[in-house]
This record gives sequence, structure tokens and C-alpha cells, in this order.
Amino acid sequence: GENVEQHPSTLSVQEGDSAVIKCTYSDSASNYFPWYKQELGKRPQLIIDIRSNVGEKKDQRIAVTLNKTAKHFSLHITETQPEDSAVYFCAASRDSWGKLQFGAGTQVVVTP
Amino acid sequence: DTEVTQTPKHLVMGMTNKKSLKCEQHMGHRAMYWYKQKAKKPPELMFVYSYEKLSINESVPSRFSPECPNSSLLNLHLHALQPEDSALYLCASSRPQTGSSSYNEQFFGPGTRLTVL
Repeated sequence: GENVEQHPSTLSVQEGDSAVIKCTYSDSASNYFPWYKQELGKRPQLIIDIRSNVGEKKDQRIAVTLNKTAKHFSLHITETQPEDSAVYFCAASRDSWGKLQFGAGTQVVVTP
Repeated sequence: DTEVTQTPKHLVMGMTNKKSLKCEQHMGHRAMYWYKQKAKKPPELMFVYSYEKLSINESVPSRFSPECPNSSLLNLHLHALQPEDSALYLCASSRPQTGSSSYNEQFFGPGTRLTVL
């Protein structure tokens, strides 16, 4: 089955700096890669996703890049703000049943 | 309505109790999911319903019994649970991608925090 590895497990950044989280996956048939943000005590919320026919996608301060050959994808957050502090999960899936395999998560702390 | 709702928010039960968790969505989604999430861990898939039929059971113990009465509702019936089953139980839903049998992003409910004594 699919295995997703996520690094780093914790990330501390100064407000205004950039944050990068990296994930690798094992199943070459995976073609959907979402990123979820989960604040303490709250539900996971989709912040951005990318499909395998696209190499990069951007939404304001958030961007995701995908390298299918190397089987890795990354989340980039620019101009970080304290409200970006949360746990971020990457995930991967094949299309058919929407079964998501999550990475272990990255605790991001943005200090003012 | 653009949300997935779950009840109850919190549940404390003994190992001999029977209880049910409920999930509801009115977004017309035809896939619904149950996940279990332990503290500081990612969500773990338990069950997937596609068009009200169970399509994936991730080898979940029989003390967890899912039910999908209609396209908007998903239940998880609990019986004879163990203390290690204490966790946040998340429901999610997604819709089929137009023109294919594949699914788009999953929308999560707020979860039920379950404690088994």
C-alpha cells in the first residue's frame, strides 16, 4: 500500500519568514495530493491540493509543488503569520476511492 | 449547507455500553468516511461508504459497526469498546469528480471526542 513520509516533524519560524514542509510517497499510481491544516482541538481543513498533471499550484501565501519522477511534494508558506501555527498533514491517494494516506504531520510554530 | 456535522461532540462510555456516533452532510456528497485520530497523530481511515454502500473496511474490529441509512447520514455504532479506543472520531465526505468515478477533496466534520472508561 501507499506510504507517505513527512518532514520535519516540528518547524519553528519567525513571523514573516517562509516555511517548507516536504513529503515523499511510495505508490507511483497516486495522483491526488492534498494538504490539511489542523488547529488544536479542531477539524482538519483542506488548504490546498494538487493533482499529478500539474507541477505547481499557488493560492495567495501558500503553494504546493509536485515532482512525480522523484515522488515528492512540498508545501510552501510565505510571509508566515501567528495564525499559521498548526499541525499540517500531507496526504496522497489514487483517484478511485479517495482513500487518503496521511503523513505523520508537521507542528508549525510561528513566533511573533 | 456547506458543512459536515457530527454529534455528540464528546462521549464518555463504559466498556459494556452501546452508543452511536452520528454524521450528517447536505452537500450532495456521495462518499462518506470514518476516521480515528489519536493525539498528535494523523487521521486513520476506518470505513468508506460510496453511494450508501460499504466500499472499504480497513480491518476494523467488529466492536465498531458503521451504517449509512441514506446519502446524507452516516452512523458509527459502538459496543464493548476498550480504553485504547479512546480517540477523536472524524467523519468526512466528498463528491465524485464530474465525469469520472473518482473523488475530490474530503471535507471533515468537527469530530466526536470519545473516552472509554
